[in-house]
Amino acid sequence: DIQMTQSPSTLSASVGDRVTITCRASQSISRWLAWYQQKPGKAPKFLIYKASSLESGVPSRFSGSGSGTEFTLTISSLQPDDFATYYCQQYNSYSTFGQGTKVEIK
Amino acid sequence: QVQLVESGGGVVQPGRSLRLSCAASGFTFRSYGMHWVRQAPGKGLEWVAVIWYDGSNKYYADSVKGRFTISRDNSKNTLYLQMNSLRVEDTAEYYCARDSREMATIWYFDFWGQGTLVTVSS
Repeated sequence: DIQMTQSPSTLSASVGDRVTITCRASQSISRWLAWYQQKPGKAPKFLIYKASSLESGVPSRFSGSGSGTEFTLTISSLQPDDFATYYCQQYNSYSTFGQGTKVEIK
Repeated sequence: QVQLVESGGGVVQPGRSLRLSCAASGFTFRSYGMHWVRQAPGKGLEWVAVIWYDGSNKYYADSVKGRFTISRDNSKNTLYLQMNSLRVEDTAEYYCARDSREMATIWYFDFWGQGTLVTVSS
């Protein structure tokens, strides 16, 4: 099974900050990685697929990069609506999620 | 617009069974693979099962294999999850989610339902 590890688990930031979340795979997954945003009590929202392709309608301040085993999600200028938990997901072999990164207000 | 509405959750004793449903609308249901994903209280997301758009293939997480069965009725635009031999550790919010690609299964999810809570407790 492919394990996904996100860091940090929690991130404190202010509006306007540039934020980066890292996701590492236990083996190479090429670029078969997606990112989701989840707010408390809500279903996850799809953001990015194939490591760096932005889903339609997702603000351009979100971007993804990486390949192989190391990936990042970057929010270029954090907005009030972005405080949430973010999950990476590999889909190279079945599906596995990272444990999540909570972005909280500093 | 795409809508996925889960139902069937509730409180059940260990060892008992429960069937979840997911009613789909706003898209051609028979053209998309569908998944179940769960989230234990305060925990992260766990993929549970997938069914191909035509029902021809089904795959399960090891944690539920042999106990859960995914199925679909394309005439009713509905996805199901039959859960047998339930355990305390199956307690979670269960989401149905649409695979992102029509007439294929890519294994990432572009639309999610609002979830239904299953609590397994004596």
